[in-house]
Amino acid sequence: GNSVTQMEGPVTLSEEAFLTINCTYTATGYPSLFWYVQYPGEGLQLLLKATKADDKGSNKGFEATYRKETTSFHLEKGSVQVSDSAVYFCASTGGGNKLTFGTGTQLKVEL
Amino acid sequence: NAGVTQTPKFQVLKTGQSMTLQCAQDMNHNSMYWYRQDPGMGLRLIYYSASEGTTDKGEVPNGYNVSRLNKREFSLRLESAAPSQTSVYFCASRDRAFTEAFFGQGTRLTVV
Repeated sequence: GNSVTQMEGPVTLSEEAFLTINCTYTATGYPSLFWYVQYPGEGLQLLLKATKADDKGSNKGFEATYRKETTSFHLEKGSVQVSDSAVYFCASTGGGNKLTFGTGTQLKVEL
Repeated sequence: NAGVTQTPKFQVLKTGQSMTLQCAQDMNHNSMYWYRQDPGMGLRLIYYSASEGTTDKGEVPNGYNVSRLNKREFSLRLESAAPSQTSVYFCASRDRAFTEAFFGQGTRLTVV
């Protein structure tokens, strides 16, 4: 079946540091890939998505590129802010109507 | 913009009690999902409904039942709650395969 593996957290960074959260997937065919963000006490919100190989999703300074050759969709941001502190989930479609999530990576940004 | 609405937001149950978690979406989506979120385990799929009138088991269906009442509503029932079902439950919906899902705010359930 499909699976998504993302780097374990928590990740603690200073404000304005560079962020990378790794995500790899296994899936048959050509899945769509997503990054979701969850702020404390809230549901998940879509951060960005990519639907085919070499697509780059971007939103709020975050970017991720769909790399089929390495089955990866790493999340990056050039300069994080305290307000980016949240839990980030990588997800993949596939297996019919299912949407498979990684275990989540908690990000804490300090002043 | 209501999106996906879950009720209740919080619930405490005693072991053996039953309850139903309600979910409704107003986006005319075909597919609906129930996930549970536990520390260190991410989101695990309990049940899903690809379209009105169909339901299928996900990764962790034991102890749960679902009903797709109509296109808008998808409920999750715990017939005899157990402490292992203490979790945060999320309902989600999406239009079709390969598109993103929209999530409700979650129900925090504690079984004592």
